Amino acid sequence: AQSVTQLGSHVSVSEGALVLLRCNYSSSVPPYLFWYVQYPNQGLQLLLKYTTGATLVKGINGFEAEFKKSETSFHLTKPSAHMSDAAEYFCAVALETGGFKTIFGAGTRLFVKA
Amino acid sequence: NAGVTQTPKFRILKIGQSMTLQCTQDMNHNYMYWYRQDPGMGLKLIYYSVGAGITDKGEVPNGYNVSRSTTEDFPLRLELAAPSQTSVYFCASSPQTGGPHEQYFGPGTRLTVT
Repeated sequence: AQSVTQLGSHVSVSEGALVLLRCNYSSSVPPYLFWYVQYPNQGLQLLLKYTTGATLVKGINGFEAEFKKSETSFHLTKPSAHMSDAAEYFCAVALETGGFKTIFGAGTRLFVKA
Repeated sequence: NAGVTQTPKFRILKIGQSMTLQCTQDMNHNYMYWYRQDPGMGLKLIYYSVGAGITDKGEVPNGYNVSRSTTEDFPLRLELAAPSQTSVYFCASSPQTGGPHEQYFGPGTRLTVT
């Protein structure tokens, strides 16, 4: 069965430091992978997605993620954290069957210290 | 475009009461979804629809019902509310043409059952 594991429910970084949020997935078929961000009291919005092609995917707000099939990973990075990046981040895998259902990870809350 | 709208934003129910959470999208998306979000648990799929007149169960459908009479609307019905249904509910839509696409989320409904 498909699943998504996000390592670390909370991550804290200093402003200007590297952001690294980890995501591993399991899928029996080539996955469609997504990162979403959720700001307080809001719905989720798309940061970036991988479907096919280039394995390094760039998203909004300076975030990027690399699909590594051998490691079944899709980690999210940003070179320099900004205070406005404080939010909850969800990794997700979409299935190409059964209504294109999406399986979400449990989420990682990012704290950015001044 | 307003995107995905949900009403109400907040609601308190007594045990055993019923209510309908409304969801409307104006993007002409064929796929729509209902999720619940509990702390540390990510999003769990309740029901989804691949088009008007077609609905199917997700991961946690017990205690809920849905209908999809139009492309735009996808209401979620709670019958006999229970404290376990205290959660934040998100509606989402997606075009899902040519493979899994990102989902567009509403702002959520925060429901408390006491």
